[in-house]
Amino acid sequence: DTGVSQDPRHKITKRGQNVTFRCDPISEHNRLYWYRQTLGQGPEFLTYFQNEAQLEKSRLLSDRFSAERPKGSFSTLEIQRTEQGDSAMYLCASGGGWRNTIYFGEGSWLTVV
Amino acid sequence: AQTVTQSQPEMSVQEAETVTLSCTYDTSESDYYLFWYKQPPSRQMILVIRQEAYKQQNATENRFSVNFQKAAKSFSLKISDSQLGDAAMYFCVITQGGSEKLVFGKGTKLTVNP
Repeated sequence: DTGVSQDPRHKITKRGQNVTFRCDPISEHNRLYWYRQTLGQGPEFLTYFQNEAQLEKSRLLSDRFSAERPKGSFSTLEIQRTEQGDSAMYLCASGGGWRNTIYFGEGSWLTVV
Repeated sequence: AQTVTQSQPEMSVQEAETVTLSCTYDTSESDYYLFWYKQPPSRQMILVIRQEAYKQQNATENRFSVNFQKAAKSFSLKISDSQLGDAAMYFCVITQGGSEKLVFGKGTKLTVNP
């Protein structure tokens, strides 16, 4: 499979715990995005990387959220001190190539109890 | 900021019939891209069709076509010969800025009736 892969697909955690999600983009893509989606809503932009550089971060993203993309390959999204409002699906997407189309992974569901 | 409005929260269509999903947007950019993405119950977001704003010709992908009206800032999706597998949430999307960050509408839930 050469698509965008995310891990874990589902995570249940207690409030106050830290969680980390991983995204492996399509190998030739230099752009990587993280989005958050809650039920009945469209995805909301969180942050964006071009290669290893984090070029943009949503103003809505609290300091508890951090993302990295070491060496411009896979990326991690960490949420510290989780709150119930963090419960959502976290989508990773990658883009590149001559048409720069963006492709999404299957998402990582987070439930904070 | 760029915005996308989908005024139809839900739509339904009979199998083999045609349905049109509406979308309007607002942007100050002169160069942008528009997309329709589909999200079936399995939840993976799938690209349906893409339109470059500088192209006057409407994009077509098999049974899917768009009506792109740049002056009116309208970008509707037409699905012909609807199939049961077309049932999904459809999102109208615009790129934003040089990063080509995607801005999503709230979505239209399409039901296909057998």
